[in-house]
Amino acid sequence: EDQVTQSPEALRLQEGESSSLNCSYTVSGLRGLFWYRQDPGKGPEFLFTLYSAGEEKEKERLKATLTKKESFLHITAPKPEDSATYLCAVQATGAQKLVFGQGTRLTINP
Amino acid sequence: DTAVSQTPKYLVTQMGNDKSIKCEQNLGHDTMYWYKQDSKKFLKIMFSYNNKELIINETVPNRFSPKSPDKAHLNLHINSLELGDSAVYFCASSHGAWGTEAFFGQGTRLTVV
Repeated sequence: EDQVTQSPEALRLQEGESSSLNCSYTVSGLRGLFWYRQDPGKGPEFLFTLYSAGEEKEKERLKATLTKKESFLHITAPKPEDSATYLCAVQATGAQKLVFGQGTRLTINP
Repeated sequence: DTAVSQTPKYLVTQMGNDKSIKCEQNLGHDTMYWYKQDSKKFLKIMFSYNNKELIINETVPNRFSPKSPDKAHLNLHINSLELGDSAVYFCASSHGAWGTEAFFGQGTRLTVV
């Protein structure tokens, strides 16, 4: 069964303090790995899709990377507005559904 | 303009009632989904429709029935509501179902009392 585990469950940082969120996955074959951001009371918002090991994508202060077993979401010099829950999901080869992890709740203190 | 809109945003109802949640997308997407997010924040897919055809039907009680009158709409009807049905239900849409980004609605918080 496809599985996604995210760590840590919660992370509190000071503004400007860089860090990384981890997404470990187990799938028979990976079609794509997705990162979403979810603000309280709202639906997830798409950030990135990664398709193969070694691939990297960036958006403002966020950079996502992918290996054969895990993905990292690096956040550089975060600001309070980066506070949210970050969700990771995988789509297995031949599957049409996404399997989500439980998310990492990120809080950036000013 | 809201891309994926769900109604209602909040729904409080008694056990045993029947309720519906409506979803509409104006993105021109051909695939729509229903997800359930439980109290631990896990987001799990329930159903997916592509061009009005059911393509994903996860292990969901028969009390849940999706209906897609056209590509832009996917409604969720729930019969005989139970306490355990309390959760946030998200509608989403995408262009195709293979490795493409999904756009989510704002969610419907269902509370069964």
